[in-house]
Amino acid sequence: DTGVSQDPRHKITKRGQNVTFRCDPISEHNRLYWYRQTLGQGPEFLTYFQNEAQLEKSRLLSDRFSAERPKGSFSTLEIQRTEQGDSAMYLCASSSREGSEAFFGQGTRLTVV
Amino acid sequence: GEDVEQSLFLSVREGDSSVINCTYTDSSSTYLYWYKQEPGAGLQLLTYIFSNMDMKQDQRLTVLLNKKDKHLSLRIADTQTGDSAIYFCAESMPGGGADGLTFGKGTHLIIQP
Repeated sequence: DTGVSQDPRHKITKRGQNVTFRCDPISEHNRLYWYRQTLGQGPEFLTYFQNEAQLEKSRLLSDRFSAERPKGSFSTLEIQRTEQGDSAMYLCASSSREGSEAFFGQGTRLTVV
Repeated sequence: GEDVEQSLFLSVREGDSSVINCTYTDSSSTYLYWYKQEPGAGLQLLTYIFSNMDMKQDQRLTVLLNKKDKHLSLRIADTQTGDSAIYFCAESMPGGGADGLTFGKGTHLIIQP
């Protein structure tokens, strides 16, 4: 197992375009989290899944954001009609159970121009 | 709501010990974590401590938890240039909600030769 994998590592897009990121968690980790990190800040929680169920969404997750985990394994995060304020590092993490340590991927750095 | 506070910068000489401090507000935190982030990279879990422990040692790392004062510290012995990074303190909540992590803004550890 190579850990949490995210794709792509970098994405540059024009304002108004849609983007989709993928996260592959550690095998058999049933919890998967998405975080966003802007420059000079710590990561901020966006949403999390337990298996295929999306159990919590932060108010940071506007209607333009949608996340899925259709088979309880990999997850996608889509941002529609991107804005410059969406520029950030999007981090995915997984854990095996409630309260256990979360392992992070390398992140996808989004730049909206 | 929960809040995690850290100093933004810490400068130490190579070979000295570094002590990075963190305060948190939610007494129901179950786990407290230290993550390391190098430039342009994702988060690396360094160590964690369960809330009913006072201290945890792992090679050059020592974590101290004062639950009464809601104070967490990370001591790095014999600090090396490779320790230069941003260190994030994070707390996790019990289940029944997001069960995500709340991060501080990070402490930049600067190593002087």
